[in-house]
Amino acid sequence: SQQGEEDPQALSIQEGENATMNCSYKTSINNLQWYRQNSGRGLVHLILIRSNEREKHSGRLRVTLDTSKKSSSLLITASRAADTASYFCATDGANSKLTFGKGITLSVRP
Amino acid sequence: GAVVSQHPSWVICKSGTSVKIECRSLDFQATTMFWYRQFPKQSLMLMATSNEGSKATYEQGVEKDKFLINHASLTLSTLTVTSAHPEDSSFYICSAKGQGGYTFGSGTRLTVV
Repeated sequence: SQQGEEDPQALSIQEGENATMNCSYKTSINNLQWYRQNSGRGLVHLILIRSNEREKHSGRLRVTLDTSKKSSSLLITASRAADTASYFCATDGANSKLTFGKGITLSVRP
Repeated sequence: GAVVSQHPSWVICKSGTSVKIECRSLDFQATTMFWYRQFPKQSLMLMATSNEGSKATYEQGVEKDKFLINHASLTLSTLTVTSAHPEDSSFYICSAKGQGGYTFGSGTRLTVV
């Protein structure tokens, strides 16, 4: 079963703009993770935020977590064409396994 | 960093044959390994969870007799798709959980003709 629901499902922006993706989930979590997947390839781990954290940064990435609303957002600043990919949020809960959302397709136009 | 090797990266097989996919953690011991399936433009759906030396736990709706999982050591898990049919064509991804968290293999594209 899927836990996370990302929105929007598809996002197209111009290079240099910021991209914001949102994820909502249903059950309690230990942490929430964001992954990137280039077409037909494996997953690349981007960032992990624990349930007791509210915000985290890594390079051009900023992730927030609101456990009261069961939601998270991923912000990619100053986007590049190479950021074009699918992005997934995944929750790690009491059952100790990752459950993925449906994913967001990001297209960054050069 | 932690590396998981998944082989083969792609395979084409005839309907009715079996295909084995390997997932190895190269530089860490994986207490648990996971197998996911992904259809085009869709998310990853967890198929099963395997722990070394014990039977895999399958998600609801996944046929355990069709998708055989063996986790013989702390560094190797295999998924065998038995009597494959065209509807089994998909992208299969493994993940290994170690002390540092989850690491994913690069995936296997299975095409059944």
